[in-house]
Amino acid sequence: DVKVTQSSRYLVKRTGEKVFLECVQDMDHENMFWYRQDPGLGLRLIYFSYDVKMKEKGDIPEGYSVSREKKERFSLILESASTNQTSMYLCASSFPSQTVLRSSYEQYFGPGTRLTVT
Amino acid sequence: AQKITQTQPGMFVQEKEAVTLDCTYDTSDPSYGLFWYKQPSSGEMIFLIYQGSYDQQNATEGRYSLNFQKARKSANLVISASQLGDSAMYFCAMGGDMDSSYKLIFGSGTRLLVRP
Repeated sequence: DVKVTQSSRYLVKRTGEKVFLECVQDMDHENMFWYRQDPGLGLRLIYFSYDVKMKEKGDIPEGYSVSREKKERFSLILESASTNQTSMYLCASSFPSQTVLRSSYEQYFGPGTRLTVT
Repeated sequence: AQKITQTQPGMFVQEKEAVTLDCTYDTSDPSYGLFWYKQPSSGEMIFLIYQGSYDQQNATEGRYSLNFQKARKSANLVISASQLGDSAMYFCAMGGDMDSSYKLIFGSGTRLLVRP
């Protein structure tokens, strides 16, 4: 089974701190994603990566950056945390298939990190 | 642009009854896939069911079935014989073939509460 792990389930940080959220997957997936989830807004894509050192902005990249130095690890960085970044953060991975649509898009999720910025 | 709409922010269902969670979508891609995920209070997203746009039959997975009406662009999730453990958030999502970045677009979710 695919396993996606996130470094923390709960995190409390102060305004202005630099915050690192780590995500690791063990199935050699090429694609990795970071979402934030807020009530009534569903999941919104922050950044995604389709290969080592490659990244693309999602729908809400402002205030975030990412790093992917190894295939299995995708890090989300809050350069200077603010209270409006208090949220649930979900990491996901997928394996792109050239022939099977479902496999191209099915994403496997980590348990999430509930971040509170005070 | 692709869009997913879930119009029911919250729903109640009596244990052992069936419930339908609505999902409509909008896309110009001829080839696309629709997913439903369950998110219990623990937070992890659990894949439930998938429907491809060219699939001839509606998808079923145990107590879950997908009522796919392509002309109406709807992909409603039907849960039969509800159980207390079905209480969770449910998200509808879509991926399209023309977008090679393999992203999923998610709806805003429906919170289901199963009453004993």
